[in-house]
Amino acid sequence: GQQVMQIPQYQHVQEGEDFTTYCNSSTTLSNIQWYKQRPGGHPVFLIQLVKSGEVKKQKRLTFQFGEAKKNSSLHITATQTTDVGTYFCAGRGGYQKVTFGTGTKLQVIP
Amino acid sequence: DTEVTQTPKHLVMGMTNKKSLKCEQHMGHRAMYWYKQKAKKPPELMFVYSYEKLSINESVPSRFSPECPNSSLLNLHLHALQPEDSALYLCASSQYRDSNEKLFFGSGTQLSVL
Repeated sequence: GQQVMQIPQYQHVQEGEDFTTYCNSSTTLSNIQWYKQRPGGHPVFLIQLVKSGEVKKQKRLTFQFGEAKKNSSLHITATQTTDVGTYFCAGRGGYQKVTFGTGTKLQVIP
Repeated sequence: DTEVTQTPKHLVMGMTNKKSLKCEQHMGHRAMYWYKQKAKKPPELMFVYSYEKLSINESVPSRFSPECPNSSLLNLHLHALQPEDSALYLCASSQYRDSNEKLFFGSGTQLSVL
């Protein structure tokens, strides 16, 4: 079955440093979505990428979809304590079925 | 209203109990989902309903029984659960059962099976 891996599993950064998480799928994806789950919370949708090589920005967050549509990345510039949480990519390989990546837990040290 | 509401927020049950989890959304979404999330793990898909009909069952044990009474409600009936079933159960909805639809999650039910 489809597997979606993320690295790193955990990341501790000093506030103001940059952060990147990488997402890799075993199969080609029709699209990739990113979700953020705060500690004790539920996943919240951040963005969706559909096109090969697509890049989208949301303020300090930059999302990229690979050319082969099998990988993606999320980069946060100048992290803030509000960025703390676990970031999941979620890929759709087959019709309707979403597979969540393993997640990257971000800790920001003030 | 862009919320998915789940009740109860916490549930403790014995292995012989029968309980139900409830989920409600009023966004007019026609697809609803149950996910299971163990600590420090990603959400795992259990069931998908589309237009009130079950369209995906991810080989979930029969002690979990989903029900979609109408387009706004989704239930998960629990019976004879095992301690390893303890987890956060998340309900989600999307506009349609389509590859480009984003998921709206409820805050979940934290289930403990003793």
